[in-house]
Formats: sequence, C-alpha cells, structure tokens
Amino acid sequence: AQSVTQLDSQVPVFEEAPVELRCNYSSSVSVYLFWYVQYPNQGLQLLLKYLSGSTLVESINGFEAEFNKSQTSFHLRKPSVHISDTAEYFCAVSSFHSGNTPLVFGKGTRLSVIA
Amino acid sequence: NAGVTQTPKFRILKIGQSMTLQCTQDMNHNYMYWYRQDPGMGLKLIYYSVGAGITDKGEVPNGYNVSRSTTEDFPLRLELAAPSQTSVYFCASSQGSGEAFFGQGTRLTVV
Repeated sequence: AQSVTQLDSQVPVFEEAPVELRCNYSSSVSVYLFWYVQYPNQGLQLLLKYLSGSTLVESINGFEAEFNKSQTSFHLRKPSVHISDTAEYFCAVSSFHSGNTPLVFGKGTRLSVIA
Repeated sequence: NAGVTQTPKFRILKIGQSMTLQCTQDMNHNYMYWYRQDPGMGLKLIYYSVGAGITDKGEVPNGYNVSRSTTEDFPLRLELAAPSQTSVYFCASSQGSGEAFFGQGTRLTVV
C-alpha cells in the first residue's frame, strides 16, 4: 500500500519570500509523484509531476520539486511567492503495476501568502 | 474543450434520500475515479474503474455504488443519504502515466 504525508497543514509566508512545502511518501514499488493545486471552490489542477528521468521537475509558474528516492521525498519549492499562489497544495503518488494505480493523496497544505 | 464534467455543482439531500452524481469525460480515458474531499483530510478514493464494465472499491466505498457502461460516463449513486456523506465529491479520469484530470466538484450536504 502507498501513503503520502504532508508535514505541514498550513504555511503562512510573506509575498516575495521563498517557500517549501514538504511531502514524504511510502511505497514498496516504483512511483510516480505529483503536486496538485486547488484554488477556492475549484477542482484540482496538476502543478507538476515526476514520472522518470531528471529528479528535478518544474512548473510553468516558477514552482519546482525534487524527487529524492533515498529520503522518499518530493518537496515543493518556490523562490519567491506571489499573492496569487495562495491555495491548497496536495502531494499525490501512484505507481504502475499491471496498469495505473489510483492516486493516493496527502492531506494537503494550505499556503497563505501575506502582502 | 470540456475535459471532465460533473453535475450537479451543489445539492442538498434529506437523510434517507437517494441521488446520482453524474460524471462524463471527453478525453477517451480508460481510468475514472470518484474521490471525496473533507476538510483537513485530503482526498479519499471511493470507487474507480479501469474501463467500461469494470469497477473496483477504493478506500471508502460504503454507502455508494457505481457503474461504467460506457468509456465516457461514471455515475456515483448514493442510495440512503447519511450526514456522514456531506462532502465535496470529485470525479477524475486518467490515461497512461497516472496523471488525473479532475472535474469541478459537487458539493453535497445531507440534512
């Protein structure tokens, strides 16, 4: 069975400051890793994903995440946040074993950017 | 470019009533999912389907039923609504790498 732990339920940060949202996973097989973002009263949107290859993946709006197999982590970072980054962020894991397994989600981290 | 469409967006049910949450996708994805989202709990998988005619239970299936007669549609049925089923429900679909595309959600309140 797979599981995801997001270590912080809420992260307040000032505008233009850096931020790191932490995610650790547990799995007995090779994994795919994802970060999703949810803005108020909306569905989830994919922010970035790690499937294979380079362990550092980036999004179009300046977020990046690094897959660390030895530490079973996939932390999300941004060097300078904007007010518009205020949202809830979910880390998720799946694997390929006789077909895709459904995504397993963490409990989410609410990022609040303060002006 | 519809993607995953859920209806209704909001619904209030009385205890014991039944309803069907509709979900349809136009991306020809084989995999479809139903999750529920409760505050501070993330998303929990209710049921999923790997193709038409095939469904399987997720983590929290009790009180729900699904069917998958076509690739496009994956309705979720609540037979006897209970207050514990008050939640936001998300349908999603995926293909290949496991990246899931989500609908906008259905906010259900059972009173």
